Amino acid sequence: GQNIDQPTEMTATEGAIVQINCTYQTSGFNGLFWYQQHAGEAPTFLSYNVLDGLEEKGRFSSFLSRSKGYSYLLLKELQMKDSASYLCAVRDPTGGGNKLTFGTGTQLKVEL
Amino acid sequence: EADIYQTPRYLVIGTGKKITLECSQTMGHDKMYWYQQDPGMELHLIHYSYGVNSTEKGDLSSESTVSRIRTEHFPLTLESARPSHTSQYLCASSADSHNYGYTFGSGTRLTVV
Repeated sequence: GQNIDQPTEMTATEGAIVQINCTYQTSGFNGLFWYQQHAGEAPTFLSYNVLDGLEEKGRFSSFLSRSKGYSYLLLKELQMKDSASYLCAVRDPTGGGNKLTFGTGTQLKVEL
Repeated sequence: EADIYQTPRYLVIGTGKKITLECSQTMGHDKMYWYQQDPGMELHLIHYSYGVNSTEKGDLSSESTVSRIRTEHFPLTLESARPSHTSQYLCASSADSHNYGYTFGSGTRLTVV
């Protein structure tokens, strides 16, 4: 089975940097994903890590440490539109290798 | 543009009615999934399919059923809707390549009264 933990809520200021952490305990691992979900909408793909290290995509970066079962999503130059839920998801390698288990999500509120 | 489509977007229906939530994708993905999500809560996998004529139940027990007769189509059916089925239902698909995440549909928000 999979256990994924991330903070429930975070608040940050427009223009600042915020780091959203995710820890996981899984029987197997084949990649970690971050998704953004605005209220009432579908999740959208942000990033993917399968090897240790940092992946950067514009204002968003994601880091993975497989030995520690740890990832974080870094958002720079925060904008009001970044207010959303951020979902950490781990891929289950069994039975075909592409089934994701999602954490409960971190609700980020960006304030002026 | 390749995409994944869900209909209806919103549905209010009476208890005991049979309903089918539609999901279609134009990306040729083999793998498709149905998730259930209550407001502010996590996504729970209720069904998935790795190809035509392949369907499996997910981690969360659901009274719904699915079928996969064509690659692009993965409908979800509730034979007799109940108020406990009120939720948002999200359909997703993915390719075989390992660094590709899910593409989600817009979701169907179902209310059973």
